[in-house]
Amino acid sequence: DTAVSQTPKYLVTQMGNDKSIKCEQNLGHDTMYWYKQDSKKFLKIMFSYNNKELIINETVPNRFSPKSPDKAHLNLHINSLELGDSAVYFCASSQALSSYNSPLHFGNGTRLTVT
Amino acid sequence: GENVEQHPSTLSVQEGDSAVIKCTYSDSASNYFPWYKQELGKGPQLIIDIRSNVGEKKDQRIAVTLNKTAKHFSLHITETQPEDSAVYFCAASRGDYKLSFGAGTTVTVRA
Repeated sequence: DTAVSQTPKYLVTQMGNDKSIKCEQNLGHDTMYWYKQDSKKFLKIMFSYNNKELIINETVPNRFSPKSPDKAHLNLHINSLELGDSAVYFCASSQALSSYNSPLHFGNGTRLTVT
Repeated sequence: GENVEQHPSTLSVQEGDSAVIKCTYSDSASNYFPWYKQELGKGPQLIIDIRSNVGEKKDQRIAVTLNKTAKHFSLHITETQPEDSAVYFCAASRGDYKLSFGAGTTVTVRA
């Protein structure tokens, strides 16, 4: 019944590795996002996809590559992991691109720890 | 771009008392102001929002006020309960896809 589900919940890996986080939403929404929450709880948007098309790509290193195989899925692949990538990554979805009429629905996050 | 400042960063209240969190925004074109609650180990969840055409909105023990002239908005929680303990985020946008979040307020309700 989970609306936005992401896996894994925890991810511990070493510097230099490549890892992926998967996200699925069953709300029928058109738009999906990846947010990064740092150790101070600050939430920052990374990417947004609308109908499988990339809409927002904030100043994120190109080691981060999102992929949306269909409207219900948005995965995040990270190459050559660095210590500074340690954070909680949240997937979210909304009915449409406009925040005015379509609030964000967040997953429960993936805590990534790079050692 | 939009800059949202949120105060205080931490707030401790006695159960039954009220809690108030304040946010200011910089972009006068912003017209949508949601509030999210994040419980431990979970993602943020929308609890209430307000649009620029109203000055106040209430939902049971939660109320938001908006002062467009001063560019600030506030969240008020009355009769606080232990389950209100969480991190609260304000946010602002022009109604498009770019939602700018405040830095969060950690609220602790003491029994």
